[in-house]
Amino acid sequence: AQSVTQLGSHVSVSEGALVLLRCNYSSSVPPYLFWYVQYPNQGLQLLLKYTTGATLVKGINGFEAEFKKSETSFHLTKPSAHMSDAAEYFCAVSDSGATNKLIFGTGTLLAVQP
Amino acid sequence: NAGVTQTPKFQVLKTGQSMTLQCAQDMNHEYMSWYRQDPGMGLRLIHYSVGAGITDQGEVPNGYNVSRSTTEDFPLRLLSAAPSQTSVYFCASSYSQTGNTEAFFGQGTRLTVV
Repeated sequence: AQSVTQLGSHVSVSEGALVLLRCNYSSSVPPYLFWYVQYPNQGLQLLLKYTTGATLVKGINGFEAEFKKSETSFHLTKPSAHMSDAAEYFCAVSDSGATNKLIFGTGTLLAVQP
Repeated sequence: NAGVTQTPKFQVLKTGQSMTLQCAQDMNHEYMSWYRQDPGMGLRLIHYSVGAGITDQGEVPNGYNVSRSTTEDFPLRLLSAAPSQTSVYFCASSYSQTGNTEAFFGQGTRLTVV
């Protein structure tokens, strides 16, 4: 069965510092991977999604994710954190390639300190 | 274009009561899903639908019923609420089931069962 592991339930960075949120997946077939962001009291919004063949995926708000098949990882990064990036971030994989059946990681709450 | 609309936003139920969480989308999406979000557990799939008249169970279906009589609406019914069903519920829709299609999420319904 496919699964997603997010290391670090809470991450705190200073404004302007690098953001690195970790995601590892378990899949026997090429995965369809996503990062979603949830701002306080809001629904989930797509940050970026993996495209087959790409290693670096660019998303909204300056976020990127690097797909490393050898490490089964899809870590999310942003070079310089902004206060508005404070939110919860979820890595997800589509179950058996079905987008309407997403398997989510447990989430990482990002705090940005002034 | 409202996207995915969920009602109510907040609800308090007594144990044993029943209720229906409403979800409507105006994007003509065939694929819709219900998830519940619990602290430290990410989002878990309850039920999903691949079109009007077709529904199936997800990871945590017990205690919930769904139906899909129209493309637009996908209500979630709690038959006899239990404290374990205290959670935040999200409805999602997508236009395709395959590949890396984006899922669009509603704002969520925060349910407390006392």
